Amino acid sequence: GAGVSQSPSNKVTEKGKDVELRCDPISGHTALYWYRQSLGQGLEFLIYFQGNSAPDKSGLPSDRFSAERTGGSVSTLTIQRTQQEDSAVYLCASSPSNTGELFFGEGSRLTVL
Amino acid sequence: DQQVKQNSPSLSVQEGRISILNCDYTNSMFDYFLWYKKYPAEGPTFLISISSIKDKNEDGRFTVFLNKSAKHLSLHIVPSQPGDSAVYFCAAGAGGSGTYKYIFGTGTRLKVLA
Repeated sequence: GAGVSQSPSNKVTEKGKDVELRCDPISGHTALYWYRQSLGQGLEFLIYFQGNSAPDKSGLPSDRFSAERTGGSVSTLTIQRTQQEDSAVYLCASSPSNTGELFFGEGSRLTVL
Repeated sequence: DQQVKQNSPSLSVQEGRISILNCDYTNSMFDYFLWYKKYPAEGPTFLISISSIKDKNEDGRFTVFLNKSAKHLSLHIVPSQPGDSAVYFCAAGAGGSGTYKYIFGTGTRLKVLA
């Protein structure tokens, strides 16, 4: 479809392992966001990419978290040495440059055992 | 520091009545606001937005009101329907070059009773 696509939809991993979550934004959208929702919590901002500008990483909770966006399109969120508190649904959203609406994917549910 | 707050974690309303969901923010630089609805196991879906140059925006059964002096916005759903039962998030952003870094509230779970 033409929406935001995230993979994997579900990921179960052991504590200490690294994980990568992928986001394919809507074609042509210049802004890309990562949020996470922990159980019973709201949407927590993680990182924001806008065009070729340096990303806003102010929401990343620790240096175990990193994200990149290659060619202004696909983004990968990497969590190193996962901890149980990293368990959450990780949501990606994209937005065209001149409107405010964010278009969300269905999320990647991460469970760290 | 919670810049966007939804102080009511849950709300129950009878079908056909009005649902009012509230949102408060602290940053006076916010100039664009969004409301999203989220069903379990799905991504949030956009409902309605409002710019700070307006105080009201209406789309069908959904109306958003913005009170800049009080740093408060509300979403009204009239009439409420059972299918409206979901978690509602407000978000606020501060523009610059035309795209916005959005901060979301913690959500309000709405239950519409048939």
